[in-house]
Amino acid sequence: EAAVTQSPRNKVAVTGGKVTLSCNQTNNHNNMYWYRQDTGHGLRLIHYSYGAGSTEKGDIPDGYKASRPSQENFSLILELATPSQTSVYFCASGDIGGANEQYFGPGTRLTVL
Amino acid sequence: GDQVEQSPSALSLHEGTGSALRCNFTTTMRAVQWFQQNSRGSLINLFYLASGTKENGRLKSTFNSKESYSTLHIRDAQLEDSGTYFCAAESGGSNAKLTFGKGTKLSVKS
Repeated sequence: EAAVTQSPRNKVAVTGGKVTLSCNQTNNHNNMYWYRQDTGHGLRLIHYSYGAGSTEKGDIPDGYKASRPSQENFSLILELATPSQTSVYFCASGDIGGANEQYFGPGTRLTVL
Repeated sequence: GDQVEQSPSALSLHEGTGSALRCNFTTTMRAVQWFQQNSRGSLINLFYLASGTKENGRLKSTFNSKESYSTLHIRDAQLEDSGTYFCAAESGGSNAKLTFGKGTKLSVKS
């Protein structure tokens, strides 16, 4: 089973500050994803990646950037954090071809004051 | 409108009873995943289906891509089954994006 870890697990940031959320997966999956979870919305896709060096916009990319420097690592970057970005962020990995089951990390709770 | 409509939004069961959760899709989906989100907030993989039916213990799930729905049946509910259950549908294409339903909050009572 895929192992996906996230850091930090909790973060408090100030409005206008820069925040970087990190994700690491050890199952050699090609695809990685960043979602946010808010009450009443379920999980929504922010950015995803097909592999090292690639990033693609998801359904709600505004205010976020992503970076995929290696197969294992995928970061989500908030250059200028805003209170509306207060949420729980989940990273996931998966692979295309056959069963593309996605496996999720434990989540990062971000509060922007 | 939402591509993935999940029902009911909340459900209360007594231990030992069962029920079904349902997801309807407004477009053709290639596959579906079901997750349980526990009290710690972790998403636990329950099923991945590209078609047909899978069963695991007291849980059974069906995906009918032609009629655009999926179901999750829980039987003999236990207290530890409490949590929020999400379905997520995979659209076609190489990115295999998941679109989530809004979840069913299940409370199992003794």
